[in-house]
Amino acid sequence: DIQLTQSPSFLSASVGDRVTITCRASQGISSYLAWYQQKPGKAPKLLIYAASTLQSGVPSRFSGSGSGTEFTLTISSLQPEDFATYYCQQLNSYPRRFGQGTKVEIK
Amino acid sequence: EVQLVESGGGLVKPGGSLRLSCAASGFTFSSYSMNWVRQAPGKGLEWVSSISSSSSYIYYADSVKGRFTISRDNAKNSLYLQMNSLRAEDTAVYYCARVRGSGIANRLDYWGQGTLVTVSS
Repeated sequence: DIQLTQSPSFLSASVGDRVTITCRASQGISSYLAWYQQKPGKAPKLLIYAASTLQSGVPSRFSGSGSGTEFTLTISSLQPEDFATYYCQQLNSYPRRFGQGTKVEIK
Repeated sequence: EVQLVESGGGLVKPGGSLRLSCAASGFTFSSYSMNWVRQAPGKGLEWVSSISSSSSYIYYADSVKGRFTISRDNAKNSLYLQMNSLRAEDTAVYYCARVRGSGIANRLDYWGQGTLVTVSS
């Protein structure tokens, strides 16, 4: 089974900051990776798929990169509505595990 | 507009059973694979199960294999999760999600609002 490890688990940042979240896979998954955003009490929302493709309707300040075992989600200029928990998910094989999440809070 | 609406959650005793439903609308349900994903209180997301559009391919997380059964009725635009031998650690919000794309473009693009399952005596 492929394990995903996100870092950091918690991040404190200010509005306007550039934020980077890393997701590492225990074995190579090509670009079979998606990123989701979840706010408290809400369902997850798809941000990025195929490691770097922006989902329709998602602001361009979000971007994804990487392939193989190391991936990053970058928010170029953090906005108030971006304070949330972010998850990566591998879709290379079953089980389709998620990373443990990265909570982005206001500094 | 794509809509996924889960139902069937509730309080159940350990060892009991529950059947979750997910009603789909706004898209051609029979053309899409579907997933169940759960989230224990205060915890992260856990992928539970996947079913292909024609039910030909079904997968489960090890944590639920042998206890949970995923199914679908394309005529009724509905997805199901039969949960047996429930344990306290199955307590979670259960989400159904649509799978979009193929290969590298696979992703969960629409999610329901979730239904809470509580396993407690």
